[in-house]
Amino acid sequence: KAGVTQTPRYLIKTRGQQVTLSCSPISGHRSVSWYQQTPGQGLQFLFEYFSETQRNKGNFPGRFSGRQFSNSRSEMNVSTLELGDSALYLCASLLTSGAPGEQFFGPGTRLTVL
Amino acid sequence: AQSVTQLGSHVSVSEGALVLLRCNYSSSVPPYLFWYVQYPNQGLQLLLKYTTGATLVKGINGFEAEFKKSETSFHLTKPSAHMSDAAEYFCAVSTSGTYKYIFGTGTRLKVLA
Repeated sequence: KAGVTQTPRYLIKTRGQQVTLSCSPISGHRSVSWYQQTPGQGLQFLFEYFSETQRNKGNFPGRFSGRQFSNSRSEMNVSTLELGDSALYLCASLLTSGAPGEQFFGPGTRLTVL
Repeated sequence: AQSVTQLGSHVSVSEGALVLLRCNYSSSVPPYLFWYVQYPNQGLQLLLKYTTGATLVKGINGFEAEFKKSETSFHLTKPSAHMSDAAEYFCAVSTSGTYKYIFGTGTRLKVLA
């Protein structure tokens, strides 16, 4: 089974621009979560989508948004980029059934904002 | 609300020595607890998880963790460190029905030859 894929792997943008990141979950997984990882902050939860609906949301400003398509692929958008948005963005997919289980992570997209 | 605290952002051990990475959680309902490892330029990989049942959980690569409800802890241990264990380790908590996972800030393990 193919793992979680994220594209692109690396991005360089300038302040004020917007960016879209993509995540393809493992086949059959309907839940996709997004995290922002920065040194010293660990993984900060952005949001989780299930069956095209945002089911959980973290404490990030409205500049961060996402969506999920009918094939469970998900995109994350950040508008009006700020220097502090530089981070590794990870997505994770989950086979939702019963108790909370293992999240499967992609390799991440490294975003640098200049 | 749930939270996770990992004590020690950096831990160094000698090769062959005991590895102990600390994790304390806060949850008002029964928690589900996880340890993940992240190698450079990679995503996170599950080491082990506690859901219900046996409080001593064994994972991959010789790691294990013990759920102690009275201490709200889920510390990760390995009897003998190997150079390949050098990585960053994350503890996470979730609860039934939420599908939301809260991660700690991570502990970077360095193994000295």
